[in-house]
Amino acid sequence: DVKVTQSSRYLVKRTGEKVFLECVQDMDHENMFWYRQDPGLGLRLIYFSYDVKMKEKGDIPEGYSVSREKKERFSLILESASTNQTSMYLCASIRDGDQETQYFGPGTRLLVL
Amino acid sequence: TQLLEQSPQFLSIQEGENLTVYCNSSSVFSSLQWYRQEPGEGPVLLVTVVTGGEVKKLKRLTFQFGDARKDSSLHITAAQPGDTGLYLCAKVSGTYKYIFGTGTRLKVLA
Repeated sequence: DVKVTQSSRYLVKRTGEKVFLECVQDMDHENMFWYRQDPGLGLRLIYFSYDVKMKEKGDIPEGYSVSREKKERFSLILESASTNQTSMYLCASIRDGDQETQYFGPGTRLLVL
Repeated sequence: TQLLEQSPQFLSIQEGENLTVYCNSSSVFSSLQWYRQEPGEGPVLLVTVVTGGEVKKLKRLTFQFGDARKDSSLHITAAQPGDTGLYLCAKVSGTYKYIFGTGTRLKVLA
């Protein structure tokens, strides 16, 4: 079974703090994604990475950065958290050549006060 | 960002009832996926449909892709409490790019 894990289920941070969200997958997938999920807006892509040290901006990259130093790990960084970044953050991975099957982590619910 | 419109947004029904959820777009899909997301978990892929008019069945769930490939429906027969969750449709938009629907939150009461 593919497993995608996220470092925290819940996080509470203060405005201006630097926040790290970690994601690890154990199936040697080349492609990894960070989404945020908000009610009525579905999932929106923040960044994705198709290889180590490679990244592409998604639809809403502003206020976020990412790091992929190892194939299994993809980190999302909020340089200076703001209240409008309060959301559910979902990580996903997919194997090269498999357009269909994205595997999602359980999500991190972030509250920025 | 283009979104897929899903309806209804919320649905609360009694166990044993049937229901249909819809996913609509103004543009043609190359393929469409349906996911279910249970509380506290990430979405899990249920099915992918690729051909206009295609019908796929997964136990009590029936997925249909519209002939014009601009819409899709998910029908659940004899809903059970275990069907409770958020149902999301998503279209594949380019390599590894997905556009997700607004979601339908289903609650099935015992």
